[in-house]
Amino acid sequence: TQLLEQSPQFLSIQEGENLTVYCNSSSVFSSLQWYRQEPGEGPVLLVTVVTGGEVKKLKRLTFQFGDARKDSSLHITAAQPGDTGLYLCAGTSNTGKLIFGQGTTLQVKP
Amino acid sequence: NAGVMQNPRHLVRRRGQEARLRCSPMKGHSHVYWYRQLPEEGLKFMVYLQKENIIDESGMPKERFSAEFPKEGPSILRIQQVVRGDSAAYFCASSLSPAYTGELFFGEGSRLTVL
Repeated sequence: TQLLEQSPQFLSIQEGENLTVYCNSSSVFSSLQWYRQEPGEGPVLLVTVVTGGEVKKLKRLTFQFGDARKDSSLHITAAQPGDTGLYLCAGTSNTGKLIFGQGTTLQVKP
Repeated sequence: NAGVMQNPRHLVRRRGQEARLRCSPMKGHSHVYWYRQLPEEGLKFMVYLQKENIIDESGMPKERFSAEFPKEGPSILRIQQVVRGDSAAYFCASSLSPAYTGELFFGEGSRLTVL
């Protein structure tokens, strides 16, 4: 069974701080995706990483895919209250379906 | 181009009743996925359907749960004889191609409360 473990599960920081969220697995994934979900809404795709070692930037967000394609990280620079939400990593399983980590709840206080 | 539409957004049922959740995928999408989410947790895969066919139902409980995606009309997730443990948010996602090749677009979810 392919599993994705996210850490930390909860993170509460002050506006302006930096943070990193990790997504780890013992399995290799062909691609990993990061989603952000706000209360009462469905997840929205932020980025897909496909190549081992790949780094993608989305404004203040930096996503990295591990060389062995077993792990990924999301780094947020100078966090803002608008970044508050549930961040989910997801990987495509060897049977073709998307499986999710348990999520990281981020709270950014003004 | 409307996104993935789910209804109802909120559903309250008493134990033993049936719950039917509907999902209309994005136009042109023939791949539909159902996920279940408990508060502040990730999404648990339930079932993957592609027009009239169940491709993967490995996440579906063996009893009381069923899903369909008919040739015409929305996909339906049906829960018979609901119990309190079925209370959760149920999300539907659709894609143009299988998940490993394309982006999934999620609906806003249906929140089921079982009294």
